[in-house]
Amino acid sequence: SQQGEEDPQALSIQEGENATMNCSYKTSINNLQWYRQNSGRGLVHLILIRSNEREKHSGRLRVTLDTSKKSSSLLITASRAADTASYFCATDDGGSNYKLTFGKGTLLTVNP
Amino acid sequence: NAGVMQNPRHLVRRRGQEARLRCSPMKGHSHVYWYRQLPEEGLKFMVYLQKENIIDESGMPKERFSAEFPKEGPSILRIQQVVRGDSAAYFCASSVGPSWGEQYFGPGTRLTVT
Repeated sequence: SQQGEEDPQALSIQEGENATMNCSYKTSINNLQWYRQNSGRGLVHLILIRSNEREKHSGRLRVTLDTSKKSSSLLITASRAADTASYFCATDDGGSNYKLTFGKGTLLTVNP
Repeated sequence: NAGVMQNPRHLVRRRGQEARLRCSPMKGHSHVYWYRQLPEEGLKFMVYLQKENIIDESGMPKERFSAEFPKEGPSILRIQQVVRGDSAAYFCASSVGPSWGEQYFGPGTRLTVT
């Protein structure tokens, strides 16, 4: 099965609300990254968190990492309609940093 | 400061034809990665290249697929004798180096095989 799996598969919220997406993985990692993909477009790198970090912030994004549970969460605060996209977590395999494995993503819809 | 460039953005090929996908990494990046995204799926690693070297092609199908990153010019992903199952979005990413972890993705090439 997937190294990284996002949950939920789809999330629909109102503008201004917070959105939380989760990612679980199976093997040890060096880094975990979150990406956003707008429909039919490429991926935009959001944030990278290293295995020795527990939390990281970037603007309205907050990422946590729990290596004991092999899970991560992405929180988007004060969501906007422009945040509507698919969100993917990507993990390496703990050996190399470059071979990223992506889950199927969480489709976030922010309603105006 | 251009990002990763890919062309063409859309490519239609008939079964049996060849597809050539191009990727120019970000300025200052010498490491290139190719991924494939099938419909409703996450991206899957295919190959990692540095200039003139294939470092890891463990995700690439053994037949019909090849990749190169010449000393001059873009990286090329080549698919010979395409079949319907090759229809997918192919993304290229680049990085400063593999140890940094962060990969920056291009807009992708959407290949449709008819």
